[in-house]
Amino acid sequence: DIQMTQSPSSVSASVGDRVTITCRASQGISSWVAWYQQKPGKAPNLLIYAASTLQKGVPSRFSGSGSGKDFTLTISSLLPEDFATYYCQQTDSLPRTFGQGTKLEIK
Amino acid sequence: QVQLVQSGAEVKKPGASVKVSCKASGYTFSNYYVHWVRQAPGQGLEWMGVLDPSDGRLTYSQKFQGRVTLTWDTSTTTVYMELSRLRSGDTAVYYCTREGIIVAGSNDHWGQGTLVTVSS
Repeated sequence: DIQMTQSPSSVSASVGDRVTITCRASQGISSWVAWYQQKPGKAPNLLIYAASTLQKGVPSRFSGSGSGKDFTLTISSLLPEDFATYYCQQTDSLPRTFGQGTKLEIK
Repeated sequence: QVQLVQSGAEVKKPGASVKVSCKASGYTFSNYYVHWVRQAPGQGLEWMGVLDPSDGRLTYSQKFQGRVTLTWDTSTTTVYMELSRLRSGDTAVYYCTREGIIVAGSNDHWGQGTLVTVSS
């Protein structure tokens, strides 16, 4: 199975800050990574797929990059609604695996 | 519009089975995989298995092999996830989610989740 190591596990930031979350795959997965945002009591919401493709309707302050083993999700300027938990997922092969999650909290 | 609507919350005793449904609508059923993912309280996301409705192929996580069964009804575009021999560690919210077969790699719609509580 492909392991996805996500960091940090939590981060405190302020409105307007730039935040970067990283994911490392245990083996090369080309660009087969998706990123999700999850708010308490809600299902995950797709932000980015194929490492850098923004899902329709997702604000452009979200961006993704990387290929091979190392991937990043960047939020360029935090808004209050961005405080949530974020997960990466490899979509290269089965079983699908997720990172452990990053909780983005208000400083 | 695309919808995945899941059945309601369940409370089960250890050793019992649970069957959760996921009714898909608003898209061509055979063009999208249906995955099942669960989330224990306060924990991360865990993949359980996937159905390819175009050919009926099923793939399960090794962790749940022998305990999880996916079935489907094409006439009602409903997918079912049955988990047997329940234990307390199976208490979780269970989600169904679709992924494009042609444009793969994006789970763009999710069900609302079904809370399964296992308690004696």
